[in-house]
Amino acid sequence: ELKVEQNPLFLSMQEGKNYTIYCNYSTTSDRLYWYRQDPGKSLESLFVLLSNGAVKQEGRLMASLDTKARLSTLHITAAVHDLSATYFCAVDIPNNAGNMLTFGGGTRLMVKP
Amino acid sequence: DSGVTQTPKHLITATGQRVTLRCSPRSGDLSVYWYQQSLDQGLQFLIQYYNGEERAKGNILERFSAQQFPDLHSELNLSSLELGDSALYFCASSKFKYEQFFGPGTRLTVL
Repeated sequence: ELKVEQNPLFLSMQEGKNYTIYCNYSTTSDRLYWYRQDPGKSLESLFVLLSNGAVKQEGRLMASLDTKARLSTLHITAAVHDLSATYFCAVDIPNNAGNMLTFGGGTRLMVKP
Repeated sequence: DSGVTQTPKHLITATGQRVTLRCSPRSGDLSVYWYQQSLDQGLQFLIQYYNGEERAKGNILERFSAQQFPDLHSELNLSSLELGDSALYFCASSKFKYEQFFGPGTRLTVL
């Protein structure tokens, strides 16, 4: 059974600081997604990582994937209050029948002014 | 706006009742997925349909069922509701085995 673990589960940081969220998964996969969720809202797609060594950046967020280590990271640079949200990583293992996302537990990020 | 629509937005009902949640996928997407988000279980995959056929099944209870209709919209039926079924239910859609886009969700409260 695929397990996806994120850490930390909760992160409180000051504006302007840098931090990294980690996502480990237990089974070989080369498809990993990062989503953002604001309270009571839907999941917004941030990054799609489809191969070993993939790195994607959008604004102050950068995601990377190491399929050999089964690890993805989401790096936050110079955090701002607007980044406060819960971030989920999700691993997709498609097979002949279909595919489904297995989510990590989420990292709740609070950025303090 | 992802292009995936879900109705209703909120649903309040009593234990033992049955409800139906509805989802319309993005134009052109043949795959529809249902997920449940609760405080104790997190985000869990329930079931996937592709062009009307069930393709993958997750931790979906026997009291729950789903279907996808010829126009590709999908319905999730929850019966004999229990307090623990209170959760956010998300529908997502994709082209087969591609990135999934999530709808706004239906918040179900069972009293």
